[in-house]
Amino acid sequence: EMQLLESGGDLVQPGGSLRLSCAASGFTFSNYAMSWVRQAPGKGLEWVSTIIGSGGSTYYADSVKGRFTISRDNSKNTLYLQMNSLRAEDTAIYYCAKVDGSGSYWDYWGQGTLVPVSS
Amino acid sequence: QLVLTQSPSASASLGASVKLTCTLSSGHSSYAIAWHQQQPEKGPRYLMKLNSDGSHSKGDGIPDRFSGSSSGAERYLTISSLQSEDEADYYCQTWGTGINWVFGGGTKLTVL
Repeated sequence: EMQLLESGGDLVQPGGSLRLSCAASGFTFSNYAMSWVRQAPGKGLEWVSTIIGSGGSTYYADSVKGRFTISRDNSKNTLYLQMNSLRAEDTAIYYCAKVDGSGSYWDYWGQGTLVPVSS
Repeated sequence: QLVLTQSPSASASLGASVKLTCTLSSGHSSYAIAWHQQQPEKGPRYLMKLNSDGSHSKGDGIPDRFSGSSSGAERYLTISSLQSEDEADYYCQTWGTGINWVFGGGTKLTVL
């Protein structure tokens, strides 16, 4: 059974840093691109970042470019999101999602981890 | 600019059918989309990929009650025999050039 399990969410002060993790199982992790998608309280879904299967290319939304870094460890079947210079507007539930084989949409999602940014 | 537009809310009675709409912005009527469901307090769930010709491929375990269709720039999600667990937010999503993934604003479906 395919499973994505996020962890690492915690209360952080503005300007602080946090690293999220996503443990994947049930599929050949290295074969697929992976993404982070977030949802601010009471709002819709927002794409944050994507990394290809090999880890060789990464992509970011303009709202996080230069502050967030996506990475993966294929030996551990784990996806990461390093978040620096956090702002109040980064407050959201962060979801890990598997990109389908065509690279077009997400076909599996995790349950999310909450990141509140507040002093 | 690639934009997806959804009505903020919809409602239908238990056992009835409902058709949700996602509209692609001008110049993007040939784009495929994906539909995702988000039940309260849960992570999203992939429902289906929907092509401009109306063909669609559903995710694992998605019931036959869920179907998709297309007309011009509009993409539809039809849910028949509505059940209480269908009460959820429904998001359409597409992808553009330049590594650009876009969501619609979502439709909140209430089952009466």
